[in-house]
Amino acid sequence: GQQLNQSPQSMFIQEGEDVSMNCTSSSIFNTWLWYKQDPGEGPVLLIALYKAGELTSNGRLTAQFGITRKDSFLNISASIPSDVGIYFCAGSQGNLIFGKGTKLSVKP
Amino acid sequence: SQTIHQWPATLVQPVGSPLSLECTVEGTSNPNLYWYRQAAGRGLQLLFYSVGIGQISSEVPQNLSASRPQDRQFILSSKKLLLSDSGFYLCAWSYPRMGGVQPQHFGDGTRLSIL
Repeated sequence: GQQLNQSPQSMFIQEGEDVSMNCTSSSIFNTWLWYKQDPGEGPVLLIALYKAGELTSNGRLTAQFGITRKDSFLNISASIPSDVGIYFCAGSQGNLIFGKGTKLSVKP
Repeated sequence: SQTIHQWPATLVQPVGSPLSLECTVEGTSNPNLYWYRQAAGRGLQLLFYSVGIGQISSEVPQNLSASRPQDRQFILSSKKLLLSDSGFYLCAWSYPRMGGVQPQHFGDGTRLSIL
């Protein structure tokens, strides 16, 4: 079946740093979505991508739909403490499939 | 605007007891509705989805069932809970698919603990 590999699994950020994460698939997708989940809450949609090569921003967040249609990237510029949480990618060729998430934490 | 409500927010139940979790959506008609389970704060597993009243598709065999008695109401049930049913249950809605996948929008979840 379709699988999504999301990396990194976790990362520590320092305020002001840029952050990058990505998802890759063994199959071609026609939709990529990025969500953020805060503890004890449901995921919130950040960015939706519908075309190969599409680059979309939402404030300090930028996501791209890979040209091969098998991957997507999310970048966060100038991170702030409230960026911590778990970020999920989701891709679809029919039903939506979710990655296992990237957990962002603050550097001790 | 559209909103989605799930309740209860937390639930502690003994093994073997029944379960009923409710989800309602406001501000849209004929939404697609979904139930997910999330273990240990990671990974969303689709349990059920519905494209209309009385229409339920099950993604994985399990101890749970779902029903959609009204257009914007989705219920997750069990007759006898197992320890393995513990987890974080999320309801989601999307617009009906029209030529492409629609983003799903999630409720705040129910934390279910089985003792």
